[in-house]
Amino acid sequence: QSVLTQPPSVSGAPGQRVTISCSGSSSNIGAGFDVQWYQQLPGTAPKLVMFGTVNRPSGVPDRFSGSKSGASASLAITGLQADDEADYYCQSYDRSLSGSVVFGGGTKLTVL
Amino acid sequence: EVQLVESGGGLVHPGGSLRLSCAASGFTFSSHWMHWVRQAAGKGLVWVSRMKSDGSSATYADSVRGRFSISRDDAKNTVDLQMDSLGVEDTAVYYCARGGSWAARGYYYMDVWGKGTTVTVSS
Repeated sequence: QSVLTQPPSVSGAPGQRVTISCSGSSSNIGAGFDVQWYQQLPGTAPKLVMFGTVNRPSGVPDRFSGSKSGASASLAITGLQADDEADYYCQSYDRSLSGSVVFGGGTKLTVL
Repeated sequence: EVQLVESGGGLVHPGGSLRLSCAASGFTFSSHWMHWVRQAAGKGLVWVSRMKSDGSSATYADSVRGRFSISRDDAKNTVDLQMDSLGVEDTAVYYCARGGSWAARGYYYMDVWGKGTTVTVSS
């Protein structure tokens, strides 16, 4: 049971827009802590695609955007491409847990 | 090129020990928090441990506290994870990751990841 809740899967056709949600609580996202998103292509290490909730690392296309409202966050991907197919994980900080770095359970994005 | 390379994984019996190492290159190692994150086969990411850039603070997930120990050597640009009293539940790919630089949040987000090293605990 992950501290942050994500849908197990989402899908979309090439060119479409998809969003992946990440639901937290008043001790993490709702407390104002930033959200990060990581993309994990099959058989590879995770890659940071969003940090500080809305910031894209250099090299990540602007088709990726992040947002937050209350205790939830979202990653939106527009102009879906085949190579966007991957697992996506949200991540934040939880002040009620020792160590405090928490991940969502991951969402499998399928490009139809 | 910024790079993290993990080593030390392998097969170990329950109750045994293993020491993982992560070699960093291409950046000022001493300026960054360093983390270990693990992923069991077919499962999600789970944060394990972190060490502050100056080595003054180490933090652990509840599941490994008292069994795992993180350390760093800024002269060698390495961060190690000593794992003792291993159980089957510790079987996973272990990733070394660099704490990011943005807004002093390196203690809770990671901007560069290694490719991982596999730890298998089995009798």
